[in-house]
Amino acid sequence: AQSVTQLGSHVSVSEGALVLLRCNYSSSVPPYLFWYVQYPNQGLQLLLKYTTGATLVKGINGFEAEFKKSETSFHLTKPSAHMSDAAEYFCAVSDRVNTGKLIFGQGTTLQVKP
Amino acid sequence: DAEITQSPRHKITETGRQVTLACHQTWNHNNMFWYRQDLGHGLRLIHYSYGVQDTNKGEVSDGYSVSRSNTEDLPLTLESAASSQTSVYFCASSESIVGIVTDTQYFGPGTRLTVL
Repeated sequence: AQSVTQLGSHVSVSEGALVLLRCNYSSSVPPYLFWYVQYPNQGLQLLLKYTTGATLVKGINGFEAEFKKSETSFHLTKPSAHMSDAAEYFCAVSDRVNTGKLIFGQGTTLQVKP
Repeated sequence: DAEITQSPRHKITETGRQVTLACHQTWNHNNMFWYRQDLGHGLRLIHYSYGVQDTNKGEVSDGYSVSRSNTEDLPLTLESAASSQTSVYFCASSESIVGIVTDTQYFGPGTRLTVL
């Protein structure tokens, strides 16, 4: 069965500092991987996704993530945090067998301090 | 612009009552999903549908039901609300291309349900 683990339920960074949110997955087949962001009192919106091809994926708002098969990881990074990045971030995996179902991690709340 | 809406946005009900949460999408997507969001659990799949008259159980379906009578709507019903069903509920949709279910889901704003 697939699963997703996000390391750290809360991450706090200073404005301008590097953002690193960790995600590890378990899957018996090469998965599709996603990062979603949830701003307060809103639904989730897609930040980026990996399906095939280049392992470094760029998303919206300056975020990027790298698929590392050997480490079963898909960590999310941003070189310089902005106050508007404060939100909850979810990593998700799809099983690639045409179900369209996503398995979500527990979420990481990002706090950005001035 | 296409969108996905949920109503009500907030609901307080009593234990044992039947509650229906509405989800309406104008993306014309075949696939629709209901999740619940709880602290420490992320989002968990309740029910999903690949088209009209199709419904499937997800990971946490007990106590919930859905019906799909048209493409745009997938209402979620709590048959007899329990305090354990206090949660935030999200509806999502995705498209199918040439019969292939795509993985990118578009989410509604959520419904916060409190069962007293």
